[in-house]
Amino acid sequence: QSALTQPASVSGSPGQSITISCTGTSGDVGAYNSVSWYQQHPGTAPKLIIYSVNKRPSGVSNRFSGSKSGNTASLIISGLQAEDEADYYCSSYTRNISFVFGPGTAVTVL
Amino acid sequence: QVQLIQSGAEVKKPGASVKVSCKASGYTFTNYLIHWVRQAPGQGLEWMGVINPADMNTNRAQKFQGRVTLTADTSINTVYMDLSSLTSEDTAVYYCTTELLYAHNFEHWGQGTVVSVSS
Repeated sequence: QSALTQPASVSGSPGQSITISCTGTSGDVGAYNSVSWYQQHPGTAPKLIIYSVNKRPSGVSNRFSGSKSGNTASLIISGLQAEDEADYYCSSYTRNISFVFGPGTAVTVL
Repeated sequence: QVQLIQSGAEVKKPGASVKVSCKASGYTFTNYLIHWVRQAPGQGLEWMGVINPADMNTNRAQKFQGRVTLTADTSINTVYMDLSSLTSEDTAVYYCTTELLYAHNFEHWGQGTVVSVSS
């Protein structure tokens, strides 16, 4: 059982914006600004797209953004494109000096 | 550029052990922690543990305490993950991934190693 909670699936039409939530506890998401998000296409390794809640690695589209409020973090994908269809995972550092992932959210572009 | 090259697929019988390697290049080996994350078929990501090649300190998820051994050889920039007492539930893709010291994210990923456990 995953320690973080994510919706199983989210969908949107091209050009729309979607939001994926990631809910944890005061022991992980709420404890640090150490939430990161990963995009995974089928058969490939995950790719870091957001770190430290709202920072983008070099080369990642600015259509991806992140935020956090209390024990819930969010990934926003704006201007949805066909290539954004993938699984998205949130992760958080925890007070137990460990890391936890969410179960993943499948994004479908209609 | 940073590269993590993992060893090839493994097929093991229940009760056996498996050792997966992860060779790093393109950066100073001791500047990054190396984590291991696995993904069972059709499932999500699961953090297993981490090693700091600079001092060989390790930390493992409670679930894997006593079953996972993480080591590193700084002479060849390679990290190893040894998982013992395998069961069918250990069938998964195993990834190594880097964390810039205490950045708390997984920046670079290996290509993954498929480990299949079957009698």
